[in-house]
Amino acid sequence: EAQVTQNPRYLITVTGKKLTVTCSQNMNHEYMSWYRQDPGLGLRQIYYSMNVEVTDKGDVPEGYKVSRKEKRNFPLILESPSPNQTSLYFCASSLWERTDTQYFGPGTRLTVL
Amino acid sequence: AQSVTQPDIHITVSEGASLELRCNYSYGATPYLFWYVQSPGQGLQLLLKYFSGDTLVQGIKGFEAEFKRSQSSFNLRKPSVHWSDAAEYFCAVALNYGGSQGNLIFGKGTKLSVKP
Repeated sequence: EAQVTQNPRYLITVTGKKLTVTCSQNMNHEYMSWYRQDPGLGLRQIYYSMNVEVTDKGDVPEGYKVSRKEKRNFPLILESPSPNQTSLYFCASSLWERTDTQYFGPGTRLTVL
Repeated sequence: AQSVTQPDIHITVSEGASLELRCNYSYGATPYLFWYVQSPGQGLQLLLKYFSGDTLVQGIKGFEAEFKRSQSSFNLRKPSVHWSDAAEYFCAVALNYGGSQGNLIFGKGTKLSVKP
C-alpha cells in the first residue's frame, strides 16, 4: 500500500531532550516536507527536500533540523525541544515537487513539558 | 503582506444545502492554487488544484473551485453537502516566481460542520 508513515504517533517529552520523528514513504517520491499544525494557525511548513541531500527552510525552521540521506526517509530532529514546539506534526511527500499532489502521513502529536 | 486568507474560521450548513468556502491570496502574480481537506484525526487529502486554463476546476468528492483573477480568489463549492463532508478545509498556494520554488503555503483553515 502506498503510504507515508510517521513514528512515533504520540510523544510526550521534556524540555531539552533531543528527539527525532521519523518519516518514510514507499512511493519513490522526490519531494518531502514537514509541517506543524497549531490551532488557529493552520499548517506551516518547517523544511522541505527537493531530492536526496537537498533540503531547504520553510516558513518556521527555527529549532528544527532535517536530513535526507535516502530518498524514502526524511527525519525531523529537535535538538533541544521547547514547550513552544508542542504541536501536531505532519510529513508529506509528492512525486516531484510542491505542485504535485501531496500525500500526508497520519501525524505526530508532540508535547514538550 | 503576502498571504493566503480563509475568512471563515467555522461554517455550519445543513445536509443537502450548498456550500461555498472562501479563499483569497495576496501575491504579486497568480500562484498555483490548491484545496485540501482534513477529516478528523487524519492527514490532509488533495481535493483539487488550479495552475492555468479553465477557471472552473473539478475535484474529488463532488467539489469544484473557481479561480477569479480580478478578486484574487479561489473559492471552493459543493452543490449539496453530505454529513461525511464535515472536516477542516485548507486553501494552499505555491508561488511560481522568485526564490520560493519549494514552499507550499497553507491558509489557516475553515472548519465545516454539517447539521442533519
